[in-house]
Amino acid sequence: GQQLNQSPQSMFIQEGEDVSMNCTSSSIFNTWLWYKQDPGEGPVLLIALYKAGELTSNGRLTAQFGITRKDSFLNISASIPSDVGIYFCAGHNYGGATNKLIFGTGTLLAVQP
Amino acid sequence: EPEVTQTPSHQVTQMGQEVILRCVPISNHLYFYWYRQILGQKVEFLVSFYNNEISEKSEIFDDQFSVERPDGSNFTLKIRSTKLEDSAMYFCASSVGRGNYEQYFGPGTRLTVT
Repeated sequence: GQQLNQSPQSMFIQEGEDVSMNCTSSSIFNTWLWYKQDPGEGPVLLIALYKAGELTSNGRLTAQFGITRKDSFLNISASIPSDVGIYFCAGHNYGGATNKLIFGTGTLLAVQP
Repeated sequence: EPEVTQTPSHQVTQMGQEVILRCVPISNHLYFYWYRQILGQKVEFLVSFYNNEISEKSEIFDDQFSVERPDGSNFTLKIRSTKLEDSAMYFCASSVGRGNYEQYFGPGTRLTVT
């Protein structure tokens, strides 16, 4: 089946540092979404991307829809302790009968104050 | 801000028992979903529901699983005869409609099968 691979698997950074993570697939997607999940909670939608090449920001977060449609990137600037969590990319591809999302493997972010 | 709610937050059951997990999607949303997340793993799609019927299901969603929208607000997932490997977090999600893929997730129900 389709797989979304995220890298890095985990990151341990100091407060104030910028963070970059990415999500890649062997298949084309027409929509990319980024979610954050805190322990024991449900995923929270951060950013949605609908067009190849699109760059969208939400506060300190910026995400890009790769031009090949097979990847997406998330950057967090000036990280703070509450950025800690697992970041998941999710994609929807053309031809799906429904709005099913395929989730990536996740990137665990730890921020040291 | 409207949100998806789920009950119970934690359900412990014995193998072979039936469980029903409940969800109240966001009120103006038309598509409803169940996803599963085994501890430490990624979120996996189970089923989507639209216009009072299943629109897509994964291979995980076998005959032991069923979904229902018994009234205008609730959306339920039933597991008929639970197995140990059904232990996971179950998330309900909803989205506005076709072409809008922004799904909003509930807080989840942790199902523990003993």
